[in-house]
Amino acid sequence: GAVVSQHPSRVICKSGTSVKIECRSLDFQATTMFWYRQFPKQSLMLMATSNEGSKATYEQGVEKDKFLINHASLTLSTLTVTSAHPEDSSFYICSARGSPRERGFTDTQYFGPGTRLTVL
Amino acid sequence: AQSVTQLGSHVSVSEGALVLLRCNYSSSVPPYLFWYVQYPNQGLQLLLKYTSAATLVKGINGFEAEFKKSETSFHLTKPSAHMSDAAEYFCALSFLTSYGKLTFGQGTILTVHP
Repeated sequence: GAVVSQHPSRVICKSGTSVKIECRSLDFQATTMFWYRQFPKQSLMLMATSNEGSKATYEQGVEKDKFLINHASLTLSTLTVTSAHPEDSSFYICSARGSPRERGFTDTQYFGPGTRLTVL
Repeated sequence: AQSVTQLGSHVSVSEGALVLLRCNYSSSVPPYLFWYVQYPNQGLQLLLKYTSAATLVKGINGFEAEFKKSETSFHLTKPSAHMSDAAEYFCALSFLTSYGKLTFGQGTILTVHP
């Protein structure tokens, strides 16, 4: 099956610093990637939809200037948490969806293993 | 607006017993429906999905789910639970026109007792 990786798996940073999280599709081209955050014992909340080569679409209530998303290639999207604060501590998960133009397209999202962010 | 409701945040069964995790949805157009499993500190793994073909969908690890339009349900079942099934399970939906955007239920933690 398709594989999506995230890096780093865990990160601890000081309040006020910025953190970049990478999401890569390893064996397929992902025209669309999604970024979710998950608080302890809660469900996944979609933060934004990232399409290759265009600006990300943010969900209501998500600050686009705080959560910068870049999808510069068909296999890589990055989420940068700028000026992180303790309330940004969460589990961030990305998913990737293949291209509808590719053979074998199944419109299935493949999830990365997640990144645990802790802001001190 | 669409929504997904999972009845029961915690379900506990004995090893070998039937597993039933409930999911109901609300949408104005025919949905695609999914069940995902999440092990601690890991991402989500797709168990199965319904995309308007057969209403009984078989997935990995012996799980299956039945789409019932009249009941707006997509419950997940497994005839005999294994200890390795202990995890959190999420029901989710999307639409043909939502370009893959998923709406998740609240999740159900499955505990399997020996």
